[in-house]
Amino acid sequence: QVQLVQSGAEVKKPGSSVRVSCKASGGTFSTYTIQWVRQVPGLGLEWMGRIIPILDVSDFTQRFQGRVTITADMSSNTAYLELSNLQSEDTALYYCATDYLDVWGQGTMVTVSS
Amino acid sequence: DVVMTQSPLSLSVTPGQPASISCKSSQSLLHGDGKTFLFWYVQKPGQSPQLLISEGASRFSGVPDRFSGSGSETSFTLKISGVEADDVGIYYCMQGIQIPYTFGQGTRLEIK
Repeated sequence: QVQLVQSGAEVKKPGSSVRVSCKASGGTFSTYTIQWVRQVPGLGLEWMGRIIPILDVSDFTQRFQGRVTITADMSSNTAYLELSNLQSEDTALYYCATDYLDVWGQGTMVTVSS
Repeated sequence: DVVMTQSPLSLSVTPGQPASISCKSSQSLLHGDGKTFLFWYVQKPGQSPQLLISEGASRFSGVPDRFSGSGSETSFTLKISGVEADDVGIYYCMQGIQIPYTFGQGTRLEIK
């Protein structure tokens, strides 16, 4: 059974960028799609995007267009979410998950504050 | 984008009693391959969400059989046959037929 371990909490200034990592173990990375979902504290779940590592193809929701980059490194079984031009509204828990969100990482808290 | 609408937004249930959550989509979630791309998740307090039901009605590995999913096209239901204290959390439906995937608002289940 695959497990996903994400990088630690981040505190960022407005206008800066953050990169969150998601390392898979116990499974075959090349067979998964890695999804990214975020949750603003106290609110619901928002799908951000996905990557199919073996094809190096990514999709993301339009409202993040120009600000989000999703990549994967198959040599280290790690996927990355980078979000630029951070604003206070981006303060949230960021999760990675496999395929149709059957396995989730533990979440990475990103706080944007001046 | 496909809009997902859940109801009710909160439930308070006596242990042992059934619970039901409705999820409606603005477009059919039935794919041409016959699969229905509707998923149910629960987020227990302080935890990552976890998958309960995939493709409308298939319980995920390890999910108790008191959870069941039903429905088709645009109307779906999650049922808990007898609520237990451990079922407290927020339940979400999600459509996976069209990018961007979209979630319902969530239904908060509490125990009386």
